[in-house]
Amino acid sequence: KAGVTQTPRYLIKTRGQQVTLSCSPISGHRSVSWYQQTPGQGLQFLFEYFSETQRNKGNFPGRFSGRQFSNSRSEMNVSTLELGDSALYLCASSMGRLAGGRYNEQFFGPGTRLTVL
Amino acid sequence: TQLLEQSPQFLSIQEGENLTVYCNSSSVFSSLQWYRQEPGEGPVLLVTVVTGGEVKKLKRLTFQFGDARKDSSLHITAAQPGDTGLYLCAGATNAGGTSYGKLTFGQGTILTVHP
Repeated sequence: KAGVTQTPRYLIKTRGQQVTLSCSPISGHRSVSWYQQTPGQGLQFLFEYFSETQRNKGNFPGRFSGRQFSNSRSEMNVSTLELGDSALYLCASSMGRLAGGRYNEQFFGPGTRLTVL
Repeated sequence: TQLLEQSPQFLSIQEGENLTVYCNSSSVFSSLQWYRQEPGEGPVLLVTVVTGGEVKKLKRLTFQFGDARKDSSLHITAAQPGDTGLYLCAGATNAGGTSYGKLTFGQGTILTVHP
């Protein structure tokens, strides 16, 4: 079974621009979560989409948005880029429901390295 | 706000030594996952612990979930250079019986094992 794929792997943008990142989850997974990873803040949750609906949201400004398509693929958009948005953006896919009634394991993609100049 | 305190932040040891990484919180988690991440790559899931007091072994790695499900530890026996990497703990909380795809991560432990 193929893993989580993210495109592009690397991206360089300038301040004020916008960017769209893409994530294809593992086949059969209906949930996609997005995380931002920086050296200072570590891994922080952005939002989760399940069956094309945003189900949970982290504490990020409205410049960060996302969507999910009927095939579970997800995109994340960041508008009006700031220098502080430079980070590794990771998406994780999961079944989106509890396995054995107890847990929901998330599997990560390789990430998109975004550099804002 | 749920927080996971992970320690130590850095660990530099010689091949063959043992080590333990700790993950502590004041909050109760429904499950806790441990990941290992290589530079420039995404985290790779090592194990999920669910039951308080649970112990899981993965070759030379032993994972334990605290009785109260607020803390966890990762113990590596006879570390090897191939164990080098960033180790992350992440907790999940299931609200209302529905699993939400939100993980709270610890700050991570950068482990370096010297030959």
